[in-house]
Amino acid sequence: DAGITQSPRHKVTETGTPVTLRCHQTENHRYMYWYRQDPGHGLRLIHYSYGVKDTDKGEVSDGYSVSRSKTEDFLLTLESATSSQTSVYFCAIGQGASTYEQYFGPGTRLTVT
Amino acid sequence: RKEVEQDPGPFNVPEGATVAFNCTYSNSASQSFFWYRQDCRKEPKLLMSVYSSGNEDGRFTAQLNRASQYISLLIRDSKLSDSATYLCVVNMDSNYQLIWGAGTKLIIKP
Repeated sequence: DAGITQSPRHKVTETGTPVTLRCHQTENHRYMYWYRQDPGHGLRLIHYSYGVKDTDKGEVSDGYSVSRSKTEDFLLTLESATSSQTSVYFCAIGQGASTYEQYFGPGTRLTVT
Repeated sequence: RKEVEQDPGPFNVPEGATVAFNCTYSNSASQSFFWYRQDCRKEPKLLMSVYSSGNEDGRFTAQLNRASQYISLLIRDSKLSDSATYLCVVNMDSNYQLIWGAGTKLIIKP
């Protein structure tokens, strides 16, 4: 299994509070991704990174920001959590360099009350 | 129209049977295709890549039909442990982004 961890694994928070989710990899992969997964939808890309300090928006980036100060860590921040951000969040890594395969962390289940 | 569409199922199949499901994609420029498997409340895991000539991995066979823009997954001699949701994934043509189908749920019954 790819060395990807996510923390926390579960979180309940109140509307309006900031929340930061962490993804940590030990594979030294260049690409890292944050997705959310909701019933009836495929995984939807929030933000991704193609290197340290290099990030870009995905399909559903509104209300989220990211940072990548080290190769191994990719942080996702909900600036002011809303109930619509209740979801399961997955981090993934990929080598890039002509391969599209991605490998996932175990996920974070976030509930915004 | 969704970029990647799958029949959500569930497909209820007896153990030992053969089951197949398709996935259609809208971007004719897509070059890379995958099937992932996701168990309940777990992360997606890569099952297999789909190559132009079709490919097989044990009981699993994947096919690509570019003309009709669909990929398929065939599972032979199905096992109880094959019960999962199968996700169809297609690349966008830049920045290693993937477009995910919502998944097909497969239930293998004894």
